Amino acid sequence: QVQLVQSGAEMSEPGASVQVSCKASGYAFTTYDIHWVRQAPGQRLEWIGGINGGTGDTKYSQKFQDTVTITRDTSASTVYMELSSPTFEDSAVYFCARLFGFGSFDVWGQGTVVTVSS
Amino acid sequence: DIEMTQSPSTLSASVGDRVTITCRASQSIGSWLAWYQQKPGKAPKLLIYKGSSLQSGVPSRFSGSGSGTEHTLTITSLLPDDFATYYCQQYYTYPWTFGQGTKVEIK
Repeated sequence: QVQLVQSGAEMSEPGASVQVSCKASGYAFTTYDIHWVRQAPGQRLEWIGGINGGTGDTKYSQKFQDTVTITRDTSASTVYMELSSPTFEDSAVYFCARLFGFGSFDVWGQGTVVTVSS
Repeated sequence: DIEMTQSPSTLSASVGDRVTITCRASQSIGSWLAWYQQKPGKAPKLLIYKGSSLQSGVPSRFSGSGSGTEHTLTITSLLPDDFATYYCQQYYTYPWTFGQGTKVEIK
């Protein structure tokens, strides 16, 4: 079945990069975009950006343009999201999700808890 | 950025009730709207896309309507499995944005 499986929980100090992975299976990886959405405790969902599985083209929310890098490895059917220089405010659950149509998300990863703490 | 505002924030209802959640956009988004259901500790689940299209596998008691700035999600007869938090999301323009959520709880 179609699924996205994310890497495990991460703890980081402020300023130290964090990478989360999202492995896709059950469908042709290069035919869909994968996006990232985060949810801080008690907060609404927040769209970060995404990558085209085939071309590698990326699109970011302006808020995350300078602090997040999304890449993919087609041979591993895996998408990566790197948070550079995270702050305490970046502590959240990070979800990867498959793009469906023009902007909804039909398949989601299980979520990865990222905790930024000194 | 387009701001999405849901009402109510919390809704108390009983099994069998008809429930309506409203999502208002700060500007017109046409029908470029999705609805999700999220349960504690889980990822969101797509219910409705493009304003009123039911995602495959989602029960027909869920429906979406609206266009422009006002959209609604209706659950015609609430089942125990429906107690959850619901989010709307616009994808008319970047950055895609979500509402603050509506928690449907047991009365």
